[in-house]
Amino acid sequence: GAVVSQHPSRVICKSGTSVKIECRSLDFQATTMFWYRQFPKKSLMLMATSNEGSKATYEQGVEKDKFLINHASLTLSTLTVTSAHPEDSSFYICSALQAGGVQETQYFGPGTRLLVL
Amino acid sequence: GENVEQHPSTLSVQEGDSAVIKCTYSDSASNYFPWYKQELGKRPQLIIDIRSNVGEKKDQRIAVTLNKTAKHFSLHITETQPEDSAVYFCAASKGSARQLTFGSGTQLTVLP
Repeated sequence: GAVVSQHPSRVICKSGTSVKIECRSLDFQATTMFWYRQFPKKSLMLMATSNEGSKATYEQGVEKDKFLINHASLTLSTLTVTSAHPEDSSFYICSALQAGGVQETQYFGPGTRLLVL
Repeated sequence: GENVEQHPSTLSVQEGDSAVIKCTYSDSASNYFPWYKQELGKRPQLIIDIRSNVGEKKDQRIAVTLNKTAKHFSLHITETQPEDSAVYFCAASKGSARQLTFGSGTQLTVLP
C-alpha cells in the first residue's frame, strides 16, 4: 500500500505554545488529506479535511482558529495546534487519499502523540 | 449523518479459532466499507475493503461480507494467530473513501 509519514512522532510542549505536525504522502500525490484525533481506547474522530490549494473543511465542533491546517503541496499537509492546552493532549493521525480511477483509499500516517504540560 | 455501530467491543479467541466482528450502518446510501487494523500506538492499516456492488470479498484468512438490505457488514478472520491481536475498526462512507465514519473499534485478543 501507499506510504504516509508524519512528523514528529511525539512532542511535549508547554501550555500556550504552538505545535506543528506534518503529514506527507511519500509515493503518491494527495489532493485530499484528513486529520483525525484519537483518545485512548477510542475511535478515530475526523477533525478536518485538508484540500490542496484551498481552505480546509472542519467538522462540527472543531475550532478552525485553534487547529490551523495548510495543504500547500500535493504531498504535504500541516496541522498547527495553536496556544495548546493540556486538554489538547491526544494522538493526532493524518491520512492521505489515494485516488485510483473510481477507487479511492485512505492511507494513514503513524500518528503524533502530543502532550501539553 | 452516518452512524456506524460495531460489536463486540472486546473479543478473545483461542489461536486457530475464527473471529467475527460485526458492524451496522444507518445511511442506505453508503457504499464503501473498509476495515482497519490498529496495533497499540501504531497507525491504522487497511486490511480489506468492500464496495456495495459485491456481497463478499476474501483475502487469504480475512473475509468481509456485506448485507445491504440489513445494512450490516462483518469481518471474518479464520485460523487466528497471536499477531492478529489488535484493535479493528470498521468504517462506512458514500461514494468513496473520503468521508469515512468509523465504528467504535473491537479489541481482538488471540490467546496462544
